[in-house]
Amino acid sequence: EAQVTQNPRYLITVTGKKLTVTCSQNMNHEYMSWYRQDPGLGLRQIYYSMNVEVTDKGDVPEGYKVSRKEKRNFPLILESPSPNQTSLYFCASSAPGNTEAFFGQGTRLTVV
Amino acid sequence: EDQVTQSPEALRLQEGESSSLNCSYTVSGLRGLFWYRQDPGKGPEFLFTLYSAGEEKEKERLKATLTKKESFLHITAPKPEDSATYLCAVQPYGGATNKLIFGTGTLLAVQP
Repeated sequence: EAQVTQNPRYLITVTGKKLTVTCSQNMNHEYMSWYRQDPGLGLRQIYYSMNVEVTDKGDVPEGYKVSRKEKRNFPLILESPSPNQTSLYFCASSAPGNTEAFFGQGTRLTVV
Repeated sequence: EDQVTQSPEALRLQEGESSSLNCSYTVSGLRGLFWYRQDPGKGPEFLFTLYSAGEEKEKERLKATLTKKESFLHITAPKPEDSATYLCAVQPYGGATNKLIFGTGTLLAVQP
């Protein structure tokens, strides 16, 4: 079954404690991205990757890092989380071109 | 600036009461317009892609249409299981390939 898998689904952490949210896809897609979803603001792109070792900033990259060492994996790293990063996060993957994006089931992060 | 606006923010329908959701967009060049469905606590699920003005696509009780300025998602004789948030997104030409710009969604509730 084609899918994008994120872990964990839920995470409560304290300010400043480094964390990683994993994302893995089994569709051999070149393009992967991270979004955050906040009430009234919709889904906003954080970072994206066109292929292995190729990443770039999206619209709201401050406070986040990513890496793409393997085609299937695209982890999101918060080096020093702050309360304003409390949000619902989605990983997505797609093939090149104007094709549909497949989304993970989401990670609800709370930073206290 | 590329922008997507969806209306209404929320819509309550009786079962069988047809209606339409609106997505108006401003984009320098449109590669594609996407409709997604999002259920509570889940990731967006792909519904349709439209590429050019005049194009229409249908799936069960849903029909999406596209003009040069907006798209409509028509829901015919809705059922309670159609209750969800419907998201519209555009993919512009230029910049990052496959980037999606989302609206804030329309929350649809269909009452039996």
